[in-house]
Parts: sequence; C-alpha cells; structure tokens
Amino acid sequence: AQSVTQLGSHVSVSEGALVLLRCNYSSSVPPYLFWYVQYPNQGLQLLLKYTTGATLVKGINGFEAEFKKSETSFHLTKPSAHMSDAAEYFCAVRGNYGQNFVFGPGTRLSVLP
Amino acid sequence: GAVVSQHPSWVICKSGTSVKIECRSLDFQATTMFWYRQFPKQSLMLMATSNEGSKATYEQGVEKDKFLINHASLTLSTLTVTSAHPEDSSFYICSAPSLLAVDYEQYFGPGTRLTVT
Repeated sequence: AQSVTQLGSHVSVSEGALVLLRCNYSSSVPPYLFWYVQYPNQGLQLLLKYTTGATLVKGINGFEAEFKKSETSFHLTKPSAHMSDAAEYFCAVRGNYGQNFVFGPGTRLSVLP
Repeated sequence: GAVVSQHPSWVICKSGTSVKIECRSLDFQATTMFWYRQFPKQSLMLMATSNEGSKATYEQGVEKDKFLINHASLTLSTLTVTSAHPEDSSFYICSAPSLLAVDYEQYFGPGTRLTVT
C-alpha cells in the first residue's frame, strides 16, 4: 500500500525567500507523484507531476520538484516566495494498479511580508 | 484541461435529513469517479470509488448505507448523505481520472461544504 508523509504541517517563509516543502512516499510500485495546492474552501489545483522521464519537473507559478528514488522523496521548491503562495499544499501518490490517489497530510505555507 | 463541477458548492441541512451532492465531468466522460472527504485542517481521505453502471466500491470504515453513491451516466456521479449528523459536516470533493493513458492525472471538483446543524 502506498503512503505519503509531509514533514512540517506548517511552514513559514518571508516573501522572496526560498520555499521548500517536503514529501516522502512509500510505494511498492514505481510511483506517479503529484503536488496540489488548495486555497481556502476551494478544490485542488495541480502544481506539477512526475510520471516518467526527467526527475526534475517544473510546474506552474514557478514551482518545481525533484523525484529522488533513492530517498523516496519528491520535495517541492520555489526560489522566491510570493504572498499569493500562501495556501495548503498536498503531495499525492498514485500507484500503477489503481487510479485513486493517496494524499499526504498537507503542509500549510504562510508567507510573511 | 478537463473540468469537473460539483453542486452545490455549500449546503446546510438539519440533523436527520438527507442531502445530495452532484459531481459532473463537463467536457469528458468518466467511467470512474472518486469521492473524498476532507475534515478541517486535514487531508483528503478517499471514501469511495464510483463506477458507471455498477456498484460503488467503499473504503474500509465508510458506511455504504449512509453514503449512497449513484453513477448513472458517464458524466454524473451523485453522493447522498442520508440521515446526516453533525459529525458528517465536512468538505466533500469528487474527482475523475484522465482517460489519457499517459496522463495519470485526476481532475478535481471545487468541493462541497456540508454543514449539518
């Protein structure tokens, strides 16, 4: 069975600072990995995904993530935080044998002026 | 990209009543849809998998008779919360997987906020 952990339920950064949100996964099959952002009372918006190929994937709004199989990690980064990045971020894994996703517990990102 | 809608976006109902939530795929067909529940400040938990033309598959611990799922067409799945109680208050989100074999994405609806008083 797959599982996802996100270290840090709440991360605060200053505007313009580096954003690093951590995600580690457990999967018995090659994983497909996703990062979603959720604003209050809204659904999920896909930031980026890793399926196959290049392990460094770029997404929307300047975010990127690197799949590291040896570390079973898929950390999300952004070089310079913007106030509009304040939201809840979820890492998710989808296994080959099922279509449903398993979500991590989420990390709330606060951006301080 | 593919769009999934949900209706209503929020609903308040009295304890003991039933409420229906609709999930529609607007520009694609979805033989499978997923229903998730999200409690405040928590992650999404899969409740059930809705299959067009057949019975839904429920996750362990989810009451089938309480959360009725009907996937009557290739673009519509409904979740009915029967005899709702305050503990059923939550954010319900549906999703549908992409039909493209190389996509692996799920398209999420905007969610329905249910408050049971």
